[in-house]
Amino acid sequence: AQTVTQSQPEMSVQEAETVTLSCTYDTSESDYYLFWYKQPPSRQMILVIRQEAYKQQNATENRFSVNFQKAAKSFSLKISDSQLGDAAMYFCACLSWGDKVIFGPGTSLSVIP
Amino acid sequence: NAGVTQTPKFQVLKTGQSMTLQCAQDMNHNSMYWYRQDPGMGLRLIYYSASEGTTDKGEVPNGYNVSRLNKREFSLRLESAAPSQTSVYFCASMWPIRTAAFFGQGTRLTVV
Repeated sequence: AQTVTQSQPEMSVQEAETVTLSCTYDTSESDYYLFWYKQPPSRQMILVIRQEAYKQQNATENRFSVNFQKAAKSFSLKISDSQLGDAAMYFCACLSWGDKVIFGPGTSLSVIP
Repeated sequence: NAGVTQTPKFQVLKTGQSMTLQCAQDMNHNSMYWYRQDPGMGLRLIYYSASEGTTDKGEVPNGYNVSRLNKREFSLRLESAAPSQTSVYFCASMWPIRTAAFFGQGTRLTVV
């Protein structure tokens, strides 16, 4: 079965500092994709970053980057220079065979001014 | 604006009533999804459809049925609503090249 785990229900970070959110996943497929989504209080789901499993290079998107450890099935998100607008729920997700997309339980990130 | 449209945005049902949540996308996406979001549980997959004419169960399909009416539309039906189905429901769609899933605004459903 395909599973995604986020072991940190809540995290906090000082404004302008760096924070890392953890995610582990399990899939039997060799071809899969990993995502981080952000959900602010508006409830809108916003794609933050995407990683293809066949790519060794870690994805980056401005202040957001990932640490993809395929052997360990780990996919953490690093947010640099945290801003007040980064406060939200963050969900890790895995897409594999048949386009099935499974999400983790989420991490609530607070940014302290 | 292009995107994923869900209707209704809010709904209150009595236990035992039935209803259908509608979802439509105008991005020519092949895959469509229904999720429910509950506090502390994240988004749990109810059903998905990888292409027109096909549907598959997700993590929590019990109590729900779906219809992929055409490429644009994917509906979710509750035949006999239960309080345990109180949740926020999200529809999503995705390109075949798997760039990202695009989400609707969500439907807040309360079953009393």
